[in-house]
Amino acid sequence: KAGVTQTPRYLIKTRGQQVTLSCSPISGHRSVSWYQQTPGQGLQFLFEYFSETQRNKGNFPGRFSGRQFSNSRSEMNVSTLELGDSALYLCASSLRTGREAFFGQGTRLTVV
Amino acid sequence: LAKTTQPISMDSYEGQEVNITCSHNNIATNDYITWYQQFPSQGPRFIIQGYKTKVTNEVASLFIPADRKSSTLSLPRVSLSDTAVYYCLVGDGDSGYALNFGKGTSLLVTP
Repeated sequence: KAGVTQTPRYLIKTRGQQVTLSCSPISGHRSVSWYQQTPGQGLQFLFEYFSETQRNKGNFPGRFSGRQFSNSRSEMNVSTLELGDSALYLCASSLRTGREAFFGQGTRLTVV
Repeated sequence: LAKTTQPISMDSYEGQEVNITCSHNNIATNDYITWYQQFPSQGPRFIIQGYKTKVTNEVASLFIPADRKSSTLSLPRVSLSDTAVYYCLVGDGDSGYALNFGKGTSLLVTP
């Protein structure tokens, strides 16, 4: 079966801009989680959606937001980009929260 | 929310068995223990999940003592391709399972 698909794979943005990242989960998976990974902070949880509802949220500023559509596809948005937002953004899907999660290849965001 | 503690790094030679221990002293009754593996610039990959005693699959074993305050991931006969970061997670859906990736254990396997 097809895996988790994240688009785009690479992105370069300028400070102050906004960006939208997309995640298509594995068919049938209703839980989608987003993570930010940087060398200094490791893998940090952003938020989790289940059936279009945000269930959990990590400790990130309000500039980071997300949503999930009825087909379980999810998007995350970062507004007013800062240099420190440069990171690998990973999306994971699972049948339900807490069970085996399948990760996408990630979107490498570079803010200049 | 159960906090996990695992070694920052470990070294091993090819062909050896590697055991990575994770401490989770305040694990809750409903919490599962899950391990993931991550290679550079890739998303983590699920290895194994367990609740108590021992779980084994084709790539690893997970040992959980009766008090469940720790767990040990065992990788038999590691190869160079097992060089990766290994994460221990504890929790269930309602307690915020997704929050606890931490820094993981960086395993280096050498010839």
